[in-house]
Amino acid sequence: SQTIHQWPATLVQPVGSPLSLECTVEGTSNPNLYWYRQAAGRGLQLLFYSVGIGQISSEVPQNLSASRPQDRQFILSSKKLLLSDSGFYLCAWSGKVTYEQYFGPGTRLTVT
Amino acid sequence: GQQLNQSPQSMFIQEGEDVSMNCTSSSIFNTWLWYKQDPGEGPVLLIALYKAGELTSNGRLTAQFGITRKDSFLNISASIPSDVGIYFCAGQLAGTASKLTFGTGTRLQVTL
Repeated sequence: SQTIHQWPATLVQPVGSPLSLECTVEGTSNPNLYWYRQAAGRGLQLLFYSVGIGQISSEVPQNLSASRPQDRQFILSSKKLLLSDSGFYLCAWSGKVTYEQYFGPGTRLTVT
Repeated sequence: GQQLNQSPQSMFIQEGEDVSMNCTSSSIFNTWLWYKQDPGEGPVLLIALYKAGELTSNGRLTAQFGITRKDSFLNISASIPSDVGIYFCAGQLAGTASKLTFGTGTRLQVTL
């Protein structure tokens, strides 16, 4: 069966520091991968998605970036965090045939 | 961008009551999905719908893909305390392969 991992689970970072969040998927190959951000009590905002290695689509202009160095690895990065980057970051994967997305456990980021 | 109007935003119900929520849009969707999110966790897929008019059940949950393809409904029968959480609808908009549009969520609270 497929599983999706995210780490770290929680992170507290000062403003201006760099960020690296990692997501990996097991049990499937060539998945579509997604990064979402969720503000407290709010819905899901799609940040980036990838349909293959090295292929990244950005949905929202911001100081974040994403990379997919391996088939089942998706990384969310920032060179300098802003207070507004605080939130709950979710990674998800889907297959190529259906549109069902499966989410990881999330990373709670607090920028101080 | 495209939005899904989800209602109600929140609801308090008593244990044992039935619950109904819906998502509507002015656009046509090819797929409708329903997720549940518990606090601090990633959303979990409950039901997936692929055909207009389709009615699908998962235990006490029943969801329907609207005939017009512009709406979907989720019903929960005989609610129990563990039904508490936020329910999101999501749809795959015609012509936007690989991405889902999420509703704003319905917060469900169950009282004993």
